[in-house]
Amino acid sequence: GQQLNQSPQSMFIQEGEDVSMNCTSSSIFNTWLWYKQDPGEGPVLLIALYKAGELTSNGRLTAQFGITRKDSFLNISASIPSDVGIYFCAPYKSGTSYGKLTFGQGTILTVHP
Amino acid sequence: NAGVTQTPKFQVLKTGQSMTLQCAQDMNHEYMSWYRQDPGMGLRLIHYSVGAGITDQGEVPNGYNVSRSTTEDFPLRLLSAAPSQTSVYFCASSLGKLRQGNSPLHFGNGTRLTVT
Repeated sequence: GQQLNQSPQSMFIQEGEDVSMNCTSSSIFNTWLWYKQDPGEGPVLLIALYKAGELTSNGRLTAQFGITRKDSFLNISASIPSDVGIYFCAPYKSGTSYGKLTFGQGTILTVHP
Repeated sequence: NAGVTQTPKFQVLKTGQSMTLQCAQDMNHEYMSWYRQDPGMGLRLIHYSVGAGITDQGEVPNGYNVSRSTTEDFPLRLLSAAPSQTSVYFCASSLGKLRQGNSPLHFGNGTRLTVT
């Protein structure tokens, strides 16, 4: 099966710092999703990328779909305490059942005020 | 609009006990699935369903049963609980297949299960 590696596993940063995390895979995908899980809640979709090379922003979040279609990164600029949580990547090939969505291992983000 | 509702929020079981984790969605979504979340392992798929009466196994199905008698409900049954099943369980639903423009996967807030 496909291998999906997300790094780093955890990050401890000061408020105001920028954050970068990435996912790499042994397989090619045509969509990359990034989810965030707040403490005690279920994951929520942050950003969806549909085209290789695409760079998409959502406020302080920026995500890119790698040219090789095997990787993606997520950047958070000027972090704030509410950025705390676990971030997951979840790539897929179009037409795949949602029931078979595979998630990365997650990046745990801690932001110190 | 409640979205995806999971009950209970917390549960403690003794080894060998059985129980059912409930999941209901009110969005008329076709697809429903169960994931378990363990530290450092991300979210792993247990079982999923593409519609009422249709279920299939995911990555880690052993020790769990599911059924989908209605569109709204997708309960997860632990037949004989084991300490290895201590985890946080998430139910999720979506309208259709993964395509641009389709609704994303909607998650419930999880059930935290401890098996002693």
